[in-house]
Amino acid sequence: DGGITQSPKYLFRKEGQNVTLSCEQNLNHDAMYWYRQDPGQGLRLIYYSQIVNDFQKGDIAEGYSVSREKKESFPLTVTSAQKNPTAFYLCASSIGSGWTDTQYFGPGTRLTVL
Amino acid sequence: QKEVEQNSGPLSVPEGAIASLNCTYSDRGSQSFFWYRQYSGKSPELIMFIYSNGDKEDGRFTAQLNKASQYVSLLIRDSQPSDSATYLCAGDTGNQFYFGTGTSLTVIP
Repeated sequence: DGGITQSPKYLFRKEGQNVTLSCEQNLNHDAMYWYRQDPGQGLRLIYYSQIVNDFQKGDIAEGYSVSREKKESFPLTVTSAQKNPTAFYLCASSIGSGWTDTQYFGPGTRLTVL
Repeated sequence: QKEVEQNSGPLSVPEGAIASLNCTYSDRGSQSFFWYRQYSGKSPELIMFIYSNGDKEDGRFTAQLNKASQYVSLLIRDSQPSDSATYLCAGDTGNQFYFGTGTSLTVIP
C-alpha cells in the first residue's frame, strides 16, 4: 500500500524534553511538509522540504527542527524551546515541489506536554 | 489579515439538502484551491481541487471559483450524515499553502 505514515499516534512529553515525530512516505513524492493544527486555528506550516538535503522554514518554525536525509523520510523534532507544543501535528507530501501540487496528509501525531 | 478565511459555522443541513460552504482569499495571485474534509480526530483528506474560474463537478461535490470576487465555494448535493465533518479550504500564495480555519458541517438525519 502506498501512503504516508506517522508515528507515534499519541505522544506525551514532559516540559524541557525534546521529542521527534516520524514521517515516512512511499509515494515517491519529492516534497514533504509539517503542519501544526490547534483548535480553531486551522493548519499552520512549520517546515517544508522540496528535495533531499534541503528544507525551508514555514510560518512557525521557531522551536522546531527537521532533516531530510532520505526522500522517504522527514522527521520533525520539537525542542524544549517550543513554548506551547501541545497540538496535532500533520505531515504531508506532494508529487512535485510546486505549491499547486496536491498535498496528501498522514494520519497525524497528537502531542501533549505534561 | 488571514490569507484564507472561512465561516467556522457550525452549519447544519437536513439529510438530502444541498450544503454550501464558502471561502474567501486575499492574494489575487493565488492560482489553485483545494477542499479537504476532516473528521474529528483524523487528518484532512482531499475532496477536490480547482484552478480555473467556474464550476468543477465530482460526484455529489461541486467546487466553484470566482477569481474576480476572490471566493471559492463547495456545494455538497444530497447531503448525507456521513458528510458531517469539518471542511478546510486551502489556497496557494505562490510560495506556500494557506488553510482556512474550517467550517463545521452537520447533516441531520
